[in-house]
Amino acid sequence: GNSVTQMEGPVTLSEEAFLTINCTYTATGYPSLFWYVQYPGEGLQLLLKATKADDKGSNKGFEATYRKETTSFHLEKGSVQVSDSAVYFCALSGLKTSYDKVIFGPGTSLSVIP
Amino acid sequence: GAGVSQTPSNKVTEKGKYVELRCDPISGHTALYWYRQSLGQGPEFLIYFQGTGAADDSGLPNDRFFAVRPEGSVSTLKIQRTERGDSAVYLCASSLSYSDTQYFGPGTRLTVL
Repeated sequence: GNSVTQMEGPVTLSEEAFLTINCTYTATGYPSLFWYVQYPGEGLQLLLKATKADDKGSNKGFEATYRKETTSFHLEKGSVQVSDSAVYFCALSGLKTSYDKVIFGPGTSLSVIP
Repeated sequence: GAGVSQTPSNKVTEKGKYVELRCDPISGHTALYWYRQSLGQGPEFLIYFQGTGAADDSGLPNDRFFAVRPEGSVSTLKIQRTERGDSAVYLCASSLSYSDTQYFGPGTRLTVL
């Protein structure tokens, strides 16, 4: 079936460190891919997205590239800040033509320490 | 503009009771989704509305769960005879149409004692 797998957390980094959160997917079609972020005590927010192969989504210094050949959408940031501490969810959608439910990965918790 | 809102933000109930959770989507959004997020997991799809009709309710776990959207805007998720396993955060999302980005509300945290 269609699914998303993420690296397990929690991930703890020092401020200004490089971040990578791995994400791979299994899908029968050509989905759109997303990263959502959930800050402590807040709702899910769309961080970035990519709708086709080789697209790069970017926002707030975060980037992810849609790699069809490796079915991956890894999240990266060159220099993390304490304010980036949150849970990050990789997700996909767009597998049906009639509607668009989102399939989420389990989430990766990130803690950035000063 | 206003985002998706959900009420109440927290709901504590006793096993066996009936609860209603409300979602106000972004104005003009025709598509509305309910998800459930258990502790330490990603959200899981429950039901999708396009307009007033439930186009897909395949994610509802059993017949104790029901949702309505009578006027194509506000939606209510209804849970009968609640069980402790229903405890979770219930998320609502809306999108302009079926293929657009979904925007999530803050969720309702349901605790069944």
